[in-house]
Amino acid sequence: DAKTTQPNSMESNEEEPVHLPCNHSTISGTDYIHWYRQLPSQGPEYVIHGLTSNVNNRMASLAIAEDRKSSTLILHRATLRDAAVYYCILDNYGQNFVFGPGTRLSVLP
Amino acid sequence: GAVVSQHPSRVICKSGTSVKIECRSLDFQATTMFWYRQFPKQSLMLMATSNEGSKATYEQGVEKDKFLINHASLTLSTLTVTSAHPEDSSFYICSASQDRGSLNIQYFGAGTRLSVL
Repeated sequence: DAKTTQPNSMESNEEEPVHLPCNHSTISGTDYIHWYRQLPSQGPEYVIHGLTSNVNNRMASLAIAEDRKSSTLILHRATLRDAAVYYCILDNYGQNFVFGPGTRLSVLP
Repeated sequence: GAVVSQHPSRVICKSGTSVKIECRSLDFQATTMFWYRQFPKQSLMLMATSNEGSKATYEQGVEKDKFLINHASLTLSTLTVTSAHPEDSSFYICSASQDRGSLNIQYFGAGTRLSVL
């Protein structure tokens, strides 16, 4: 199974950028990189996904290393509402959607 | 777009009773739906995968007779916890995805917190 490694927790100050890293050294050529986040007592929320190129959407940016063995989720200006557990997941054809422990992001006012 | 509705959000029941949880994709047709369980301070654990019109595929260790899954249409899947016991108390979360070949984006419901007394 494709696996990812993320720091257990990170802290950020409000209105500052946050870079959440994810290592996935065993990624295969067809694996997509997905990021989800889960706020307390809620279901996960889709954030962004990518395959090879960097991606931007209204929520975040995803920077993918050239060898695809790591990626970084970038929140450009953290708000208190961004405090959540962030999950980095590798998947293709729905075969490997495994949630690890994720990174618990705390945002300080 | 891509909204998944899950109902109820919270249920409290007596031991031995059955509880049904509904999961609906509101603005897209979901070829596949997933059911997860999450215990406090832990990550999501996949329980089963269901495709419309066919039997669900259960993960190892999940009792199919206890957790009945029905995926009768492209917008509705239900999970029934039969003869619930206190150890079944947990946060149950569904998700739905469209068939996009190798790309599988799952959209999640808000979850159902089940408390069995």
